[in-house]
Amino acid sequence: QLLLQESGPGLVKPSETLSLTCAVSDYSISSNYFWGWIRQPPGTGLEWIGSIYHSGSTYYNPSLKSRVTISVDTSKNQFSLQLSSVTAADTAMYYCARGVFSPAWFRETYFDYWGQGTLVTVSS
Amino acid sequence: QSALTQPASVSGSPGQSITISCTGTSSDVGGYNYVSWYQQHPGKAPKLMIYDVSNRPSGVSNRFSGSKSGNTASLTISGLQAEDEADYYCSSYTSSSTVFGTGTKVTVL
Repeated sequence: QLLLQESGPGLVKPSETLSLTCAVSDYSISSNYFWGWIRQPPGTGLEWIGSIYHSGSTYYNPSLKSRVTISVDTSKNQFSLQLSSVTAADTAMYYCARGVFSPAWFRETYFDYWGQGTLVTVSS
Repeated sequence: QSALTQPASVSGSPGQSITISCTGTSSDVGGYNYVSWYQQHPGKAPKLMIYDVSNRPSGVSNRFSGSKSGNTASLTISGLQAEDEADYYCSSYTSSSTVFGTGTKVTVL
């Protein structure tokens, strides 16, 4: 059974860089899927941050693109998120998930497995 | 890319059917047959309920069904049960991003 587990600091200072890792268990990250990050500010809805394929191809939310970097480490079977210049507006539950893609479009069309999420608070 | 529009809340009595709408544009919902729906209980991660407009993943009850007409997708829950009380989010593929809906709180009366 595929398991995804997010990890990283729960508190980040304003203007610093948020860094999270998603460890994938019992499944190869080099298989034919995308791997994505989604966040959810407290009491509000879901926001797609971006996704990566094991080859390193990345897709980012245009509204966050200038601050986001997603990378993959196939040797450790994990992928990571970096979000720079954070503000209080970046306070959220951050989820990693597996993305299924259509052969017609080289990007995920839905997420079938999700991690439990990790809460990141931006505060001094 | 703007969030897809969902009603803030929908309610129904046990055994009834309810429908949640998800309205977008021709650039997202109307342009692709890649609408998905997620159920989220408080404090839990989202769970995939419907993908590619109307397909159910293995293990999801057949009380959940999805459809689409033009720029609006819908999720119908039939035979409403107490365990269905949760938040529901739609999502759509677009050429530049994945966009989620504003979310709907389903209350079982």
